[in-house]
Amino acid sequence: EPEVTQTPSHQVTQMGQEVILRCVPISNHLYFYWYRQILGQKVEFLVSFYNNEISEKSEIFDDQFSVERPDGSNFTLKIRSTKLEDSAMYFCASSDPTPNEQFFGPGTRLTVL
Amino acid sequence: GQQLNQSPQSMFIQEGEDVSMNCTSSSIFNTWLWYKQDPGEGPVLLIALYKAGELTSNGRLTAQFGITRKDSFLNISASIPSDVGIYFCAGRRGSGYALNFGKGTSLLVTP
Repeated sequence: EPEVTQTPSHQVTQMGQEVILRCVPISNHLYFYWYRQILGQKVEFLVSFYNNEISEKSEIFDDQFSVERPDGSNFTLKIRSTKLEDSAMYFCASSDPTPNEQFFGPGTRLTVL
Repeated sequence: GQQLNQSPQSMFIQEGEDVSMNCTSSSIFNTWLWYKQDPGEGPVLLIALYKAGELTSNGRLTAQFGITRKDSFLNISASIPSDVGIYFCAGRRGSGYALNFGKGTSLLVTP
């Protein structure tokens, strides 16, 4: 069964460093998303991406964040200058043919020291 | 995002018992979804609901989309140990792409 994959599974970084989280969405999906989950809390929406552009973003997704689809299979989330409060699980998701049924990857645990 | 109130926060039951959890919102959603999350993993989609009043089953799971479009419930019948996990409701407004998640119901099942 097709699934969303994410790398790395765990990333440790120093505050102020840039990180790139990578995702391979389900191959025929057209809608892509990033969510985050701070330990013990609910899943929060960051951004959605469709037709090679951001279609919606939350207030969490400020200028420190960016997304890119550099080729036909990868979807990335970049955090330019990480802060301690960026420590969380980051989930990639994809859906098609609508934004309704979103399928999530296993997540990347980001730890900012 | 829109606030989703999910209850109960946690449940501790015996194997074989039925379970019910629900989610309410002050806002209308056009889609309700239920996800299960195991520790250290991503949410797994269980059921998606698209119409007010819709009742949908997936094996031992049954979910309903409330008539007011502001609530949904999930029932699990004859629980088994592998039902252990955190169950999240999520709603999506018609014009948006984001899923708004509840805070989750933690389910523990003892053999």
